[in-house]
Amino acid sequence: EADIYQTPRYLVIGTGKKITLECSQTMGHDKMYWYQQDPGMELHLIHYSYGVNSTEKGDLSSESTVSRIRTEHFPLTLESARPSHTSQYLCASQQGGVSGGSGTQYFGPGTRLLVL
Amino acid sequence: GEDVEQSLFLSVREGDSSVINCTYTDSSSTYLYWYKQEPGAGLQLLTYIFSNMDMKQDQRLTVLLNKKDKHLSLRIADTQTGDSAIYFCAETFSGGYNKLIFGAGTRLAVHP
Repeated sequence: EADIYQTPRYLVIGTGKKITLECSQTMGHDKMYWYQQDPGMELHLIHYSYGVNSTEKGDLSSESTVSRIRTEHFPLTLESARPSHTSQYLCASQQGGVSGGSGTQYFGPGTRLLVL
Repeated sequence: GEDVEQSLFLSVREGDSSVINCTYTDSSSTYLYWYKQEPGAGLQLLTYIFSNMDMKQDQRLTVLLNKKDKHLSLRIADTQTGDSAIYFCAETFSGGYNKLIFGAGTRLAVHP
């Protein structure tokens, strides 16, 4: 059973506001990921991290930024929210490399963001 | 490039078997995964298979891998209404940071 948490679960906010989506995992996993998913659609990787002080942009361009100051914490920030940012944001973590199933990514419950 | 394709929708009767299909392109994938997503939730890992295996069975779930055709399937025996969800196939990408490449998901609807 994976222990990965996301807060808030739901967020409705006005255009122009700064928001931070929280993601924490208690498994000591090195790798963490942020995906964006529109309802009923595929996942798009927007950020990932190999470990502390490591962050990279994913396949889908995003105006959000991330930080990785602690192993267990991988927050995502939008400096100025816009309606086009409305989506579901999923955080995942992964232990080490791909061996013996350890390449498995464990997902948090997601944050549904609505920007008015 | 890497790509994973799935049919978008499957409807089955309760008690029947469901078969969800997936094709992938990266022949060097090491692991292939099936995830389940219920409405409003994150993705839950169902099972995975190592690329040198042909089949893996786990209770009601059977995964078949045809590496030659790059075809993966998930069979759910005795499908229940609680199995209604979106099922995502994913492959590991051998380059870079071992990221997962996801398909668009297959929406499984189970009706009485």
